[in-house]
Amino acid sequence: AQSVSQHNHHVILSEAASLELGCNYSYGGTVNLFWYVQYPGQHLQLLLKYFSGDPLVKGIKGFEAEFIKSKFSFNLRKPSVQWSDTAEYFCAVNSRNTGNQFYFGTGTSLTVIP
Amino acid sequence: DVKVTQSSRYLVKRTGEKVFLECVQDMDHENMFWYRQDPGLGLRLIYFSYDVKMKEKGDIPEGYSVSREKKERFSLILESASTNQTSMYLCASTASGRNYEQYFGPGTRLTVT
Repeated sequence: AQSVSQHNHHVILSEAASLELGCNYSYGGTVNLFWYVQYPGQHLQLLLKYFSGDPLVKGIKGFEAEFIKSKFSFNLRKPSVQWSDTAEYFCAVNSRNTGNQFYFGTGTSLTVIP
Repeated sequence: DVKVTQSSRYLVKRTGEKVFLECVQDMDHENMFWYRQDPGLGLRLIYFSYDVKMKEKGDIPEGYSVSREKKERFSLILESASTNQTSMYLCASTASGRNYEQYFGPGTRLTVT
């Protein structure tokens, strides 16, 4: 089975600080990559996705992620976080060969201090 | 607007009870999934279904079963609830094919006492 690693379990930042959350996956084939966000008390929603093409992907709310195939990584970035970005962030991978299954990381809890 | 709904937001059940969690999607998606979400463990797949009456085990199917009699509805069944099944349960759906994301319901927080 595939595995997805998120090395940062809990991140605390001040407003306006830059953010980078790491995500590494184990599968060597062609993959689809996702970042989901879960705001307190809300359901998981898609932040951004990569299927093919430009490895730098832009998502909602100023987030972006870069797919680096050689490093099996899909790190999430934001140049300047806001208090409203406080949430849990999940990286997910879907292999095109396995089709239906999605594999999630353990999540990173981000707290932004005003 | 895409929508996945779950029958309850909060549920409290006693050990040994049979528990039904229901999920409905209105997007005509072929694939539906049940996950449980626990702190520090992320989302773990319990079961998924790629068509009506079809199901496949995920990573942690023990103690659970599922039912999919209609395309839009996917039920998770705890045959005899136990305290270690206290968790947040998330339903998701996705279209078939290669390049689609999952859409999630709001979750059901189940407490087994």
